[in-house]
Amino acid sequence: KQEVTQIPAALSVPEGENLVLNCSFTDSAIYNLQWFRQDPGKGLTSLLLIQSSQREQTSGRLNASLDKSSGRSTLYIAASQPGDSATYLCAYLGQAGTALIFGKGTTLSVSS
Amino acid sequence: EAQVTQNPRYLITVTGKKLTVTCSQNMNHEYMSWYRQDPGLGLRQIYYSMNVEVTDKGDVPEGYKVSRKEKRNFPLILESPSPNQTSLYFCASSLVATNEKLFFGSGTQLSVL
Repeated sequence: KQEVTQIPAALSVPEGENLVLNCSFTDSAIYNLQWFRQDPGKGLTSLLLIQSSQREQTSGRLNASLDKSSGRSTLYIAASQPGDSATYLCAYLGQAGTALIFGKGTTLSVSS
Repeated sequence: EAQVTQNPRYLITVTGKKLTVTCSQNMNHEYMSWYRQDPGLGLRQIYYSMNVEVTDKGDVPEGYKVSRKEKRNFPLILESPSPNQTSLYFCASSLVATNEKLFFGSGTQLSVL
């Protein structure tokens, strides 16, 4: 069964902290993995896309890594800010290449 | 501005009354998809389309129909809505199905009474 687990489900940190969000998946053969951000009542925004041949991607204060052999990905957020407060979802594209399999997300709250 | 546009944003209807949620993208994307998001269940794919006139079922297609007559539009049709279709719906698109970021619309909150 294709499944994505995100831990923790919720996280509260003070502004300025570095933090790591975890994502694990059961499928050993994937095309790619994406990290999304979802703000309350809004759509999803793709933050980073890691191809199966890559180990990591970086965008500004965000860094995502992918370890296919262990079925894990992490999203590292440096120097967190209140504006980073949102739900972060990871999703992978299986080898059928037709649908992203989503985790349930980690809800992050950054306090000032 | 590159975007995926869904309408309406909110919709309240009654059981059995046919409805259509529209989705349009202005990025010349080949791949389009519909997802529903439910508390505790996350996002699940309803239908997808790899290109014009090519559509296929996702994980939860029962009670839904789609069509892809033009590249930019991918409407979701509920012929006879039921209360268990109350959900937050998202349309998404990407240049191709694989190896590209997925762009999402803002969502349609549907309540079926």
